Amino acid sequence: KAGVTQTPRYLIKTRGQQVTLSCSPISGHRSVSWYQQTPGQGLQFLFEYFSETQRNKGNFPGRFSGRQFSNSRSEMNVSTLELGDSALYLCASSSIGGLGDSPLHFGNGTRLTVT
Amino acid sequence: GEDVEQSLFLSVREGDSSVINCTYTDSSSTYLYWYKQEPGAGLQLLTYIFSNMDMKQDQRLTVLLNKKDKHLSLRIADTQTGDSAIYFCAEVGTALIFGKGTTLSVSS
Repeated sequence: KAGVTQTPRYLIKTRGQQVTLSCSPISGHRSVSWYQQTPGQGLQFLFEYFSETQRNKGNFPGRFSGRQFSNSRSEMNVSTLELGDSALYLCASSSIGGLGDSPLHFGNGTRLTVT
Repeated sequence: GEDVEQSLFLSVREGDSSVINCTYTDSSSTYLYWYKQEPGAGLQLLTYIFSNMDMKQDQRLTVLLNKKDKHLSLRIADTQTGDSAIYFCAEVGTALIFGKGTTLSVSS
């Protein structure tokens, strides 16, 4: 069974631009979560989608948004990029959602650099 | 508030046992997780323990849970150089809450 796939692996963008990251969950998984990883803040939760609905959201500004499609694939978008948005963005999927019920399986991430 | 704490570094010799410790705050967390991250990679799920268990063993990995003290540990037996990585513990809150990670360095 293929794991969580994230594309692209690397991105370089300029301040003020916007970016879209993509995530394909493990086949059969309906929940997709996004995390931001930085050296200073560590791993921080962005949002979770289940059956195309955002179920949970972390403490990030509205410039960060996401969506989930009917095939469970998910995208996240960051608009008006700032230097501080440089990070590794990790996507994770789980089988039935509800973090206490099934573990998260992570992809290898998208490394975003904002210059 | 939700907070997970880990020591930042651990250095061991190949063949020794490694013990990585973690304290958490949310006593209602149903599961507690251990993840491993190698350079340039995402997080690999290592093991997890249900909150009503005290111990779980999985090959070279042993997880101990002390709910009274909200303390979780991961023991790696016969540590190998390939175990060098960052290890994260995580509790279930409104989302998965991660510690800052413990960097395990294994020397031969």
